[in-house]
Order: sequence, then structure tokens, then C-alpha cells
Amino acid sequence: DTAVSQTPKYLVTQMGNDKSIKCEQNLGHDTMYWYKQDSKKFLKIMFSYNNKELIINETVPNRFSPKSPDKAHLNLHINSLELGDSAVYFCASSLRQGYGYTFGSGTRLTVV
Amino acid sequence: KQEVTQIPAALSVPEGENLVLNCSFTDSAIYNLQWFRQDPGKGLTSLLLIQSSQREQTSGRLNASLDKSSGRSTLYIAASQPGDSATYLCAVFYDKVIFGPGTSLSVIP
Repeated sequence: DTAVSQTPKYLVTQMGNDKSIKCEQNLGHDTMYWYKQDSKKFLKIMFSYNNKELIINETVPNRFSPKSPDKAHLNLHINSLELGDSAVYFCASSLRQGYGYTFGSGTRLTVV
Repeated sequence: KQEVTQIPAALSVPEGENLVLNCSFTDSAIYNLQWFRQDPGKGLTSLLLIQSSQREQTSGRLNASLDKSSGRSTLYIAASQPGDSATYLCAVFYDKVIFGPGTSLSVIP
């Protein structure tokens, strides 16, 4: 019974395409996040939503647009993909802000 | 500036050894601290969460301690096994969460 699930697990696409990554959590948590892990394995916060409302929006190109239809889902849409967008994207959730995280298994995005 | 560092960056030990991983943070006004492990090509698995009012947490062969005044947390792994080989990350919770760069652990059979 997966707690935080992301789809797809792998995504290979050409430059200029638009793609989406979906995330769902069944933990009843209020807060969800998107993180990017680059080739050096460094984790950086991109967005945070609390009960469907955006609360953190780090310096991320506006080609990245999160969407939270309800508090159990947080999707990430990326327009006009670039080579530099290649990374692993992780979704996470927490009971509330400041509480421990549960991570999804990640989506490995490769832009060619 | 809030920074989180982890030393060593990489560690290789023979099976059965006890070992300590370190996490240091510059701002002691933390809410919580969480230790994760990440296996190659996989997501992050939560190991232990220590709230700011706690000094330590234990789970099986793992023990994590927290000393806010000195800005340090340690993760102690007893009787290490090859299956413990992974990257270990600490996450320090302020208004936002800052992840350390990780310690890559290799346990040699």
C-alpha cells in the first residue's frame, strides 16, 4: 500500500516538449512538496503546497507549474523542456509544515 | 545563513563495525531533524525523526542524537551489514527544510 506514489517512474522526452508528473499520497497529510535532485545528488525544494494552497515557490523557471486539485494530489507540469531539466524529481508529503517527510520513489526525467 | 553539512562525504567499513555519521547545522533554531537513507536509483526512506525537544531516537540498530546547542546530530549504526550500504542524508527543518549533501556508506562483506 504505497504511501506516496509518483508516475511515471521514468520519462524520456525531447527538448521543447511539455510533460507532466503526477503525485498522490494516501497518508492524510496536509502538506506536499516537489524536490529536484540533480546529478550531484543535491536535493532542492521547488514547491510546497499546504491543503491545496501554494506556500513555497523557490526560484524555479515559470516553465514549471504545480497544480494541486486536492490535498492528496500534487502534479508538476513542465513546458518547453530543456536539457538542464534532466534530473530526478521527488514528491514528498508531511502531516503539516515542519513535520517529518515521506518521499515518493522519484521520477527520472531525461531530456534529449 | 542556514547551512547543513555532513562529514564524511564517503565512508567504507568492514562488516560488523559500529559507525557514526555526522550532520552539522549552522542555525540551532530548528524544529526537527530527520535522517534518511537513499539507495542508488531509489527514493528516500525515512530512518528516524528527532523533534527539537528530544535528545535521541532509536530504531533497531540505529540511534540518532541531537545536540542543538552545538549544531550537531549523529547517526550511530551498530554492527553494520552490507545491506546498510547507501547514501545517508540528514534534513534540518526550519521554516523550510535544508538537506545535507549526504554520506555515501559502503559496508564491505
